[in-house]
Amino acid sequence: EADIYQTPRYLVIGTGKKITLECSQTMGHDKMYWYQQDPGMELHLIHYSYGVNSTEKGDLSSESTVSRIRTEHFPLTLESARPSHTSQYLCASSGGLADNEQFFGPGTRLTVL
Amino acid sequence: QQQVKQSPQSLIVQKGGISIINCAYENTAFDYFPWYQQFPGKGPALLIAIRPDVSEKKEGRFTISFNKSAKQFSLHIMDSQPGDSATYFCAAGGGQFYFGTGTSLTVIP
Repeated sequence: EADIYQTPRYLVIGTGKKITLECSQTMGHDKMYWYQQDPGMELHLIHYSYGVNSTEKGDLSSESTVSRIRTEHFPLTLESARPSHTSQYLCASSGGLADNEQFFGPGTRLTVL
Repeated sequence: QQQVKQSPQSLIVQKGGISIINCAYENTAFDYFPWYQQFPGKGPALLIAIRPDVSEKKEGRFTISFNKSAKQFSLHIMDSQPGDSATYFCAAGGGQFYFGTGTSLTVIP
């Protein structure tokens, strides 16, 4: 089982609140990713990082921000949540010899009222 | 433009039958084609993957067939079991990946 963790698993908050979704991995992977997943839709890459202090935006425009201060930690922050941010957020990591194999966390289901 | 198209959206198969899920991709530069399996409440998990230099890869009951000229690849699940009931995603890329919209598979006992 992949050692990648996400907290919280479920979050219901009101509009305008600031939230941080946590993601940690214990595999020492250099690469980490955040995807947004809606029912019946493909996973959309919103952020990725290829190492400490390196972050890039993915194909799907997102109002969220990320940071990568430590290899194992890749938090995602929404400064002011809106109902349009309601979705499932999946964190993944990859690295080492199997660089293309992404290990996914269990996801955070966010509902903004 | 959707980089990876997946079909069908849902699939119901009898126990012991063959499940087939198809994907097509756009970018000929893609060099890695994984399939992920996702159970409710869990993140996707890598099931099997193929590179474009081979036309088929088999791991147990799961087989990927790859057609480079047609830019298509498919997942075959032989002897489908109720425990295979899950959502399956294909993906394509290299470094950065594009995912299909998923197929919900239900295997009826």
